[in-house]
Amino acid sequence: AQSVAQPEDQVNVAEGNPLTVKCTYSVSGNPYLFWYVQYPNRGLQFLLKYITGDNLVKGSYGFEAEFNKSQTSFHLKKPSALVSDSALYFCAVRDSDSNYQLIWGAGTKLIIKP
Amino acid sequence: GAVVSQHPSWVICKSGTSVKIECRSLDFQATTMFWYRQFPKQSLMLMATSNEGSKATYEQGVEKDKFLINHASLTLSTLTVTSAHPEDSSFYICSARTHRDSSWDSPLHFGNGTRLTVT
Repeated sequence: AQSVAQPEDQVNVAEGNPLTVKCTYSVSGNPYLFWYVQYPNRGLQFLLKYITGDNLVKGSYGFEAEFNKSQTSFHLKKPSALVSDSALYFCAVRDSDSNYQLIWGAGTKLIIKP
Repeated sequence: GAVVSQHPSWVICKSGTSVKIECRSLDFQATTMFWYRQFPKQSLMLMATSNEGSKATYEQGVEKDKFLINHASLTLSTLTVTSAHPEDSSFYICSARTHRDSSWDSPLHFGNGTRLTVT
């Protein structure tokens, strides 16, 4: 069955340090992978996506993510965290074998401390 | 571009009344709109998919007579929670996709959500 796992409910990082928000997936076909960010009481904003090509994709606000096919992962990263990066982050995947159904992870709360 | 406006941002209503939430695409034509429900500290739950001019497709377990969805134009979709009860209290979010974004690698454009509290 198709699934997306974000193993950490919350990630705490000091400002200026690198951050990683983890995501692993399970699909039967080719994955189309997305990261979205949600600020309090707001809708979601698209950050970046992986469809094909270079495994390292760069997105908005200095974020990047690395697609690792062997580990079925798509971790979100940023070299130097900002307090303003504090938000809820969602990983999502479309499965080409399942009519491109969009499957959402549970979300990870990222807290950046000054 | 691709701005989605959702209104109201929050609403409090009494049990038994109905509440309408609007989702508008401001600078594009939204051929498809999605309605999600989000519980505290949980992920998004897709409630239904609506295509302009046709009936919405509801996900399993979502009562279509309780959550009425109308997508009468290319820029407006509405979700009406009928005979609301406290358990309907939640954060409702709409998202939209344009005809140009018909490929499956296109991201969705989200509204800012509506916080519904039923007392």
